Amino acid sequence: DGGITQSPKYLFRKEGQNVTLSCEQNLNHDAMYWYRQDPGQGLRLIYYSQIVNDFQKGDIAEGYSVSREKKESFPLTVTSAQKNPTAFYLCASSGRDRGPYNSPLHFGNGTRLTVT
Amino acid sequence: SQQGEEDPQALSIQEGENATMNCSYKTSINNLQWYRQNSGRGLVHLILIRSNEREKHSGRLRVTLDTSKKSSSLLITASRAADTASYFCATDAGGYQKVTFGTGTKLQVIP
Repeated sequence: DGGITQSPKYLFRKEGQNVTLSCEQNLNHDAMYWYRQDPGQGLRLIYYSQIVNDFQKGDIAEGYSVSREKKESFPLTVTSAQKNPTAFYLCASSGRDRGPYNSPLHFGNGTRLTVT
Repeated sequence: SQQGEEDPQALSIQEGENATMNCSYKTSINNLQWYRQNSGRGLVHLILIRSNEREKHSGRLRVTLDTSKKSSSLLITASRAADTASYFCATDAGGYQKVTFGTGTKLQVIP
C-alpha cells in the first residue's frame, strides 16, 4: 500500500537538544510538507519542498530545518532555537500540479513531540 | 497565517441527524478542500471543490462553494458515530502546492 510513514509516533527530548523527525513516502509525489498542530488549532506550515534538493520556508520556519536529498524522504529537525517545540507534527505530500488545480494532500499519522 | 475559519468550533448531534459545518476565507482561491482528522491521527482528504464549481457530492458528503461570499459548507447526511472527528477546510490560493488550513470543527455524533 502506498502512503506516508512518520516515525516515531511519540518522541521525548530534553530542552536544548536537537531532534529529527522522519517522513518517508512511497507515493512518488514531488511535493512534501511539514505542518505543526497545537491543541485545538489548525495546521501551520513549517517548510515545504516542491522537488528534490529544493525547499521553501512556510509560515513558522524559525527554529526548524529540513533537507530533501531524496524524493521519498523529507526529514524535519527541531533545533534548540525553537522556543515552543512541544506539538504534534504532520508530514504530507502531494502530486504534481494539474494545470491551476492542485491535487489533495496525503498525510502521515504524525509525531507527537514533547520537550521538557 | 490561517485563511479559513470554520464555524461552529464544536458540534454535537444524535446519530442519524445531519451535520453542517461552514468555512469562511479571505482571499481568492483556486480550490477548497475538506479534511477529516480522528483524534491523534493524520488528516484524511474528503473532497476538493474547484473555484468554478458550486456544489459537489461524495457519498454522504455534500460541499458547496460560494466564491462571492468567500464561504463553503460541508454537509454530512445521516451521521454515524464513526463520523466523530475534527473537520478542517483548506484553501489553495495559488502558488505551488501551498494549502492553508482553518481551525477546524470538532464533531461529536452520539449513538
